[in-house]
Amino acid sequence: DTGVSQDPRHKITKRGQNVTFRCDPISEHNRLYWYRQTLGQGPEFLTYFQNEAQLEKSRLLSDRFSAERPKGSFSTLEIQRTEQGDSAMYLCASSLERTEAFFGQGTRLTVV
Amino acid sequence: RKEVEQDPGPFNVPEGATVAFNCTYSNSASQSFFWYRQDCRKEPKLLMSVYSSGNEDGRFTAQLNRASQYISLLIRDSKLSDSATYLCVVNKGGNKLVFGAGTILRVKS
Repeated sequence: DTGVSQDPRHKITKRGQNVTFRCDPISEHNRLYWYRQTLGQGPEFLTYFQNEAQLEKSRLLSDRFSAERPKGSFSTLEIQRTEQGDSAMYLCASSLERTEAFFGQGTRLTVV
Repeated sequence: RKEVEQDPGPFNVPEGATVAFNCTYSNSASQSFFWYRQDCRKEPKLLMSVYSSGNEDGRFTAQLNRASQYISLLIRDSKLSDSATYLCVVNKGGNKLVFGAGTILRVKS
């Protein structure tokens, strides 16, 4: 399978714990995006990378959120001190420049 | 005002019906436009790009009106398998995709 893959698919965590998600983009894609989606809403932009450079961060990405793409390949999204409001589907997507984005299946986070 | 606005629906239509979805966007500098489809608990998948000249892919037709900042999607001869959420997506530049909240379509036999 050469699509975008995300790990884990599901994560249940207690409030206050830290969680980290991983995204492996399509290999030749230089752009990588993170989105968050809650029930009944479209995906909301969080951040994106071109190669290893993080080019834009949404105001939705509070200080508890950090994303990295250290070698311009896979990316991680970490949430520190999780809150119940962080419960959502976290979607990763990748693309070439100025082309459509392809999404992974997402990581569903539940904070209890 | 949201950057991309869609009628949330749901649109409940019988098989074989024609249904149209509308979308408006607020940023006149937006550069490219797409319709994505999302099935329940699945990731969004590209349905089609939208061009100023309009484009058609089988039963699906997309139109863009830059002057009115308006995008549409027409589905003809609806199938049960068309039931999904349709997301209007605008590229503001820099390849940042901004999504509408989606329009729910339910096709019934």
